[in-house]
Amino acid sequence: KAGVTQTPRYLIKTRGQQVTLSCSPISGHRSVSWYQQTPGQGLQFLFEYFSETQRNKGNFPGRFSGRQFSNSRSEMNVSTLELGDSALYLCASKLSIAGVMGELFFGEGSRLTVL
Amino acid sequence: DQQVKQNSPSLSVQEGRISILNCDYTNSMFDYFLWYKKYPAEGPTFLISISSIKDKNEDGRFTVFLNKSAKHLSLHIVPSQPGDSAVYFCAASTAGGTSYGKLTFGQGTILTVHP
Repeated sequence: KAGVTQTPRYLIKTRGQQVTLSCSPISGHRSVSWYQQTPGQGLQFLFEYFSETQRNKGNFPGRFSGRQFSNSRSEMNVSTLELGDSALYLCASKLSIAGVMGELFFGEGSRLTVL
Repeated sequence: DQQVKQNSPSLSVQEGRISILNCDYTNSMFDYFLWYKKYPAEGPTFLISISSIKDKNEDGRFTVFLNKSAKHLSLHIVPSQPGDSAVYFCAASTAGGTSYGKLTFGQGTILTVHP
């Protein structure tokens, strides 16, 4: 079955602009999480959505937001972009939110460069 | 506050030998641990996991050991193969409560297996 799909794969923005990234989870997966990967900080948790509700949030400023649609697809938005927002943004999906902790399945990521 | 640490940025081993990747954590609430492998331009892929009720989990060439008293886990790859060359991330979670899809990752260790 198809994996986690993220679009766009690469994008370049300038400071002050805003960006929206999209994620389609594996079919049947209802939990979607977002992570930011930078060389200095590694992978850091942004937030998680389940049933269109944000269930958990990492330590990022309010410029970072997200949402989930009824078909489990998710988007994340970063407003007023800063140079430090340049990173690989990874989306991950999980079958369910409860029960035994299973592994997350990651997409290939969206590489954002802020100039 | 780095709750999960991989103190070795890189590791180089010969094909056929054992690779040992280490990970330390500080949060005693973590009770589920995972290893992910990441190739360039790809998202992380799940490798192996271990619950805190166990001290060892094995899957083919991969074995994860957990020492709860030392808050330390390690990944053993035997025998190592050139295709194992990748970045390896250690991750931790609290399986219950509200952690859901939130993983805390280490900084990663670059493994290079030489033919």
